[in-house]
Amino acid sequence: GQQLNQSPQSMFIQEGEDVSMNCTSSSIFNTWLWYKQEPGEGPVLLIALYKAGELTSNGRLTAQFGITRKDSFLNISASIPSDVGIYFCAGRSGTYKYIFGTGTRLKVLA
Amino acid sequence: NAGVTQTPKFRVLKTGQSMTLLCAQDMNHEYMYWYRQDPGMGLRLIHYSVGEGTTAKGEVPDGYNVSRLKKQNFLLGLESAAPSQTSVYFCASSYRTGAGYTFGSGTRLTVV
Repeated sequence: GQQLNQSPQSMFIQEGEDVSMNCTSSSIFNTWLWYKQEPGEGPVLLIALYKAGELTSNGRLTAQFGITRKDSFLNISASIPSDVGIYFCAGRSGTYKYIFGTGTRLKVLA
Repeated sequence: NAGVTQTPKFRVLKTGQSMTLLCAQDMNHEYMYWYRQDPGMGLRLIHYSVGEGTTAKGEVPDGYNVSRLKKQNFLLGLESAAPSQTSVYFCASSYRTGAGYTFGSGTRLTVV
């Protein structure tokens, strides 16, 4: 079946640093989503991408839909302590359903 | 706006017991989903529904049943719980194909 590889699995960064993470697929997707999950809560949608090459921002977050349609990237600029959480990518290839990556766990050191 | 509400939030079951997890959404969404989340496995789709009265199997449906008798509710049942079903269960909904999901806050289930 389809798989999403998300990297890195975890990262520790200093407050103020920029963060980059990515998601790659073995299949072509036509939609990419990025979610953030905080402890004890469900994932919350951050950014949705619908076109190859699309670049979308949400505050300090920027995500891109890869040209090959098999990958997506999420960048966080000037990280702050509340950025802590697990970031998930999700991709869809024409059905109702999204496939989720295994997540990138982000920890920010003040 | 409550969004997606899941009950209960926590539950401990003995092996062989049954239970039902309830998901309710107040956004008039057509599509609803049940996922389980396990360490290192991400979110895996159990069952989903594309409208009232419809259900379909996802990636890991064995040992679970679902019902969507009303548009706003999606129930997940475990007929005979097993330790392998220890997990955090998330319900989600969306208003159209391809739209992002709104998730509930989860149910943490432990089967002993």
